[in-house]
Amino acid sequence: GDSVTQMEGPVTLSEEAFLTINCTYTATGYPSLFWYVQYPGEGLQLLLKATKADDKGSNKGFEATYRKETTSFHLEKGSVQVSDSAVYFCALISGANSKLTFGKGITLSVRP
Amino acid sequence: DGGITQSPKYLFRKEGQNVTLSCEQNLNHDAMYWYRQDPGQGLRLIYYSQIVNDFQKGDIAEGYSVSREKKESFPLTVTSAQKNPTAFYLCASSIGTAIPGSEQFFGPGTRLTVL
Repeated sequence: GDSVTQMEGPVTLSEEAFLTINCTYTATGYPSLFWYVQYPGEGLQLLLKATKADDKGSNKGFEATYRKETTSFHLEKGSVQVSDSAVYFCALISGANSKLTFGKGITLSVRP
Repeated sequence: DGGITQSPKYLFRKEGQNVTLSCEQNLNHDAMYWYRQDPGQGLRLIYYSQIVNDFQKGDIAEGYSVSREKKESFPLTVTSAQKNPTAFYLCASSIGTAIPGSEQFFGPGTRLTVL
């Protein structure tokens, strides 16, 4: 079945540091890939998405590129802020159904 | 404003009682979903519905029930058969299979604590 693997956390960075959060996947066919963010005590918000190979999703300074050859969708940001502190989930939808498969999520803490 | 509402935000119940969590959306979405979130375990799918009057079990449906009588509403009942119901519950909706790969939009969640 489909699966998403995220790097182990938590991650702690200083403000303005470079961020990479790794995400790899296993899926049948050509999945759509997503990054969601969850701030403390809230629901999930879509951060960015990519629907086909080599697509780059971007939002709020975050980027991720759909790499079919390495089955990866790593999240990057050049300069993190304290307000980026949250839990980040990588996810996919594959096939004809609309069900999301999530990774376990990773907690990011950014210190001033 | 369009969106998904869940109520209440916090819910306390005694062990052995059934409890129903509300989820309403005004996005005109066909598909709706319920997830459970536990610390360190990500999100797990409980039930989902692709269309009114139809729903399917997700990965952890035991001890839960749902109904989908209206397009905009998808309430979840946590029954006394659910062995460990204390968790954060998230509702989501999407356009559904009409647009393959369409993203899901999430509500703010309900934190259920069973005493």
